[in-house]
Amino acid sequence: KAGVTQTPRYLIKTRGQQVTLSCSPISGHRSVSWYQQTPGQGLQFLFEYFSETQRNKGNFPGRFSGRQFSNSRSEMNVSTLELGDSALYLCASSLEWKLYEQYFGPGTRLTVT
Amino acid sequence: KNEVEQSPQNLTAQEGEFITINCSYSVGISALHWLQQHPGGGIVSLFMLSSGKKKHGRLIATINIQEKHSSLHITASHPRDSAVYICAVPSNTGNQFYFGTGTSLTVIP
Repeated sequence: KAGVTQTPRYLIKTRGQQVTLSCSPISGHRSVSWYQQTPGQGLQFLFEYFSETQRNKGNFPGRFSGRQFSNSRSEMNVSTLELGDSALYLCASSLEWKLYEQYFGPGTRLTVT
Repeated sequence: KNEVEQSPQNLTAQEGEFITINCSYSVGISALHWLQQHPGGGIVSLFMLSSGKKKHGRLIATINIQEKHSSLHITASHPRDSAVYICAVPSNTGNQFYFGTGTSLTVIP
C-alpha cells in the first residue's frame, strides 16, 4: 500500500498570505489528523477529521482550518499567515483516531517570510 | 506548565551504551505513546502502553501510572537509533494529544 502523501513538501509564503496543504491518507483509512511541529513548541495537535467531519480540535486560532473530502483526502488552510506559522505540518491517517495506529506522512515544511 | 515533560532534551551516547529517556505527565491518561522521528521528519509509533512494560527488540518502555512517569530504554544502542524520541498522552477528554518536546539522541559509532 502507498503511504501517506503530503503536498507540497516545501512552501515559502509571505506574511498575510494564505496557504493550503494537502494530505492523501493510506487507502482505506478514514481518519486524518494534522499536527504542527516547531522548534520552540514541539509537536502540537491541530485537528482530526473522520468521514468528512471534524471530530477533534486542538488549541489553535480560527485562522487554522481544514476539511476532508469524500475520498478521505484532507486539506488544511492557514489564513493571514504569521511568521510564527513557520513549521513542519504533519498529517497522519488511521482507520480510527488512535495515535498508536496512525501512520504519519513526510510533512510539509512551511516557511513564512 | 506543560502537560508532558521529557528529559533529557539532548543525549549523546557511544555505540553499545544503555540509554534511558524519561517522560513525566500531569494529565490523567488511559495510555502513553512513544514516537520516533528520524531526520527528515518521518514519525513512527513505537509503543502504546497503559501499564507495566513493553519490549520490542532492543527497545523497552515502562510506565508507572501512580507516579505519572514513563521511561524508554534502548539496550545496546546503535547509530541507526539516532533520532528524536517523543512521548505523547491523550487529554483527559481524549479529544487531543499532548506531546513532550522530544529527546534528540545521537549515537556515535
